[in-house]
Amino acid sequence: NAGVTQTPKFRILKIGQSMTLQCTQDMNHNYMYWYRQDPGMGLKLIYYSVGAGITDKGEVPNGYNVSRSTTEDFPLRLELAAPSQTSVYFCASSTRTGVASVLTFGAGSRLTVL
Amino acid sequence: RKEVEQDPGPFNVPEGATVAFNCTYSNSASQSFFWYRQDCRKEPKLLMSVYSSGNEDGRFTAQLNRASQYISLLIRDSKLSDSATYLCVVNGGGGGNKLTFGTGTQLKVEL
Repeated sequence: NAGVTQTPKFRILKIGQSMTLQCTQDMNHNYMYWYRQDPGMGLKLIYYSVGAGITDKGEVPNGYNVSRSTTEDFPLRLELAAPSQTSVYFCASSTRTGVASVLTFGAGSRLTVL
Repeated sequence: RKEVEQDPGPFNVPEGATVAFNCTYSNSASQSFFWYRQDCRKEPKLLMSVYSSGNEDGRFTAQLNRASQYISLLIRDSKLSDSATYLCVVNGGGGGNKLTFGTGTQLKVEL
């Protein structure tokens, strides 16, 4: 049982390049999330999904896109990378929402845009 | 006022000490509360949920004070392995399970 798997772990991009961060979970969780974490800041929600085919914006969606074609996969697309997108990205999933919800995180993807 | 506010620390304590962190939240409608632990350059992991009646898990005790809108985490008999950043997390309710994370309190346990 791998939990939440993110790839790549590290990536350096040039300004204007695009890339996709992959996220897969094998726990059959309905809810999936993408967060970014900047130094000294709390995790910020980029996008989330409550099930296959349904996605919604979080707090900081600009410059990103997501899709959720299956329960397992929730890729995050960066279009036209900018230095402000240098961050650590965490994918997470949960089995439910509300008072009993608990997030399981992937190991993170460290992205640098130069 | 930030939605979730924590003292960033660091809290430097000797092994065996008792240490407590507080976290304040601004949304009085918040429904659920958690403490997550994050080791350096790793992903956050759930330490414990915080229940209205307070709850204890071994050396860790979490309390919720709705009237004053804060939660606390008490660690007794600190171990070197407790050194980490402790994130306060609040669920403000609504759809999608949108959690708000504090910036974290750093704990360093020393010999």
